Amino acid sequence: GQNIDQPTEMTATEGAIVQINCTYQTSGFNGLFWYQQHAGEAPTFLSYNVLDGLEEKGRFSSFLSRSKGYSYLLLKELQMKDSASYLCAVREGAAGNKLTFGGGTRVLVKP
Amino acid sequence: DAMVIQNPRYQVTQFGKPVTLSCSQTLNHNVMYWYQQKSSQAPKLLFHYYDKDFNNEADTPDNFQSRRPNTSFCFLDIRSPGLGDAAMYLCATSRVRGQVGGGVYEQYFGPGTRLTVT
Repeated sequence: GQNIDQPTEMTATEGAIVQINCTYQTSGFNGLFWYQQHAGEAPTFLSYNVLDGLEEKGRFSSFLSRSKGYSYLLLKELQMKDSASYLCAVREGAAGNKLTFGGGTRVLVKP
Repeated sequence: DAMVIQNPRYQVTQFGKPVTLSCSQTLNHNVMYWYQQKSSQAPKLLFHYYDKDFNNEADTPDNFQSRRPNTSFCFLDIRSPGLGDAAMYLCATSRVRGQVGGGVYEQYFGPGTRLTVT
């Protein structure tokens, strides 16, 4: 089984930077995903890490440390439309593509 | 263009009255998933199909069944909905991972069906 922890809620100001942490415990780790989910909508894929280090995609970056069971999602130059929940999800096992999601972090961007 | 389509977007059913939710995809992905998501909670995997191979999660209640008649369509049947089954039901698809360490194979989600049980 897996245990995935992330903060419940964060507040930040438009234009600022926010870092959302995710810690996990799993056997057979095989990738970590970040999804964005606006209220009442489907999750949309943001980023993927399977090796240690930083992956950058425009305003969003994601970092992984497998030895520490730790990832973070960094959102830069925050915009009002970034107000959403951010879900950390871990894939486990050598085959198959099942994800286990964390509870999500709700980010509120204020003017 | 819609890639994962769920119908209806909103469904109201009565306590104990069977209900079917549908999902279709235009991506030709061989894996389809059903998740249940309650308010402010993580999506919880109910089951998934790898082609026609059905994989049930150990803690999915027997009240939930699924059918996949072909690659494009997958159905979620709730045989006797209870008040606790009110939730958003999300369908997702992905290409299967072909080998250890291969590719991202992210899951694509549909817009969800919000189920209300009265």
